[in-house]
Amino acid sequence: DQQVKQNSPSLSVQEGRISILNCDYTNSMFDYFLWYKKYPAEGPTFLISISSIKDKNEDGRFTVFLNKSAKHLSLHIVPSQPGDSAVYFCAASARGSNYKLTFGKGTLLTVNP
Amino acid sequence: EPEVTQTPSHQVTQMGQEVILRCVPISNHLYFYWYRQILGQKVEFLVSFYNNEISEKSEIFDDQFSVERPDGSNFTLKIRSTKLEDSAMYFCASSERAANEKLFFGSGTQLSVL
Repeated sequence: DQQVKQNSPSLSVQEGRISILNCDYTNSMFDYFLWYKKYPAEGPTFLISISSIKDKNEDGRFTVFLNKSAKHLSLHIVPSQPGDSAVYFCAASARGSNYKLTFGKGTLLTVNP
Repeated sequence: EPEVTQTPSHQVTQMGQEVILRCVPISNHLYFYWYRQILGQKVEFLVSFYNNEISEKSEIFDDQFSVERPDGSNFTLKIRSTKLEDSAMYFCASSERAANEKLFFGSGTQLSVL
């Protein structure tokens, strides 16, 4: 039951370049999407979110794009920095279920100096 | 920045034993959660807790699991009779409002059932 899919287990980019992490979902009831970042031995940390009424949300170097018709969202990090190296999780919540997040499996981003 | 605290960081137990995982959520938060991540798999929702009762739970959260907020600061997850497949990293989280807002996660308790 993979309602949230992150098809790339890993991604490697050079410092200063753009990192693009992708996420697909299948549940049309999802109306709020979040990205979390996780370092080893730590819990996930909230990064950025987007409501289904928007198609873009930006916060500094991080931008999330939502394509509802394709049930696809992406996280852009530009410019990428070595400290961005972490596992990035896409998560979603559904209308009528404000208490539960459904996560993807995560993408390990490595930013090379 | 305030943080969610979980203890212990590692717990090893024998199959069939009871374990209690402890969490101290952020003090002004009203919603509390347990998630788990089995090695190599996704982070899975277990349960949410609000106003001293379970607000939502997953299929994983069967009768072997229970949660409690025994005082004004702690939030616990109890597994009554552990199974091998309960081995996972267990994350506690809290939020000021509902889950479609920002969740703050603890560093996790790695539970190993032998």
